[in-house]
Amino acid sequence: GQQVMQIPQYQHVQEGEDFTTYCNSSTTLSNIQWYKQRPGGHPVFLIQLVKSGEVKKQKRLTFQFGEAKKNSSLHITATQTTDVGTYFCAGFKNSGYALNFGKGTSLLVTP
Amino acid sequence: DTEVTQTPKHLVMGMTNKKSLKCEQHMGHRAMYWYKQKAKKPPELMFVYSYEKLSINESVPSRFSPECPNSSLLNLHLHALQPEDSALYLCASSNPARRGKSLTDTQYFGPGTRLTVL
Repeated sequence: GQQVMQIPQYQHVQEGEDFTTYCNSSTTLSNIQWYKQRPGGHPVFLIQLVKSGEVKKQKRLTFQFGEAKKNSSLHITATQTTDVGTYFCAGFKNSGYALNFGKGTSLLVTP
Repeated sequence: DTEVTQTPKHLVMGMTNKKSLKCEQHMGHRAMYWYKQKAKKPPELMFVYSYEKLSINESVPSRFSPECPNSSLLNLHLHALQPEDSALYLCASSNPARRGKSLTDTQYFGPGTRLTVL
């Protein structure tokens, strides 16, 4: 079945450094979504990418969807302590209406 | 209102107890979900209800029994759970839609119920 792989598992950066997490699927995705989960919190939707090669920005966050629609990345410029949390990518399962989450990348930002 | 509410926030139960988790949304979403999340792991899908009918059961043990009384409410009935069932149980809702070949489905998660089984 479809698998969504995500790397790295953990990332520890100093405040102000950049951060990138990568997501790869074994099959072509119709779209990909990104969620952020703060420690002790619940997943919060960040963005959805649909088109091949799509790039979207939200302030310091840049999201990319690969040309083949099998990979995606989230890049954070100049991290802040508020960026701490786990970032999940998610694609739809073959059943169509359920998300298949990557394992997540846990980001720690130290001042 | 983009809020999904869940009660209780925390639950401790013994292996012989019967308890229920509740979820509510008033966004008019027609799909509702139960996920289980263990520490440092991604959410794992348990059940999907679409238009108040169970559409997906991800081979969940029968000690978990979902119920969707109406389009705004989703329950998860628990009976004879095991200690390894201790986890964060997340409810989510969405309005799946097809645009061409793409399925778009932003899921809104509730805060979860942190369950401990003794």
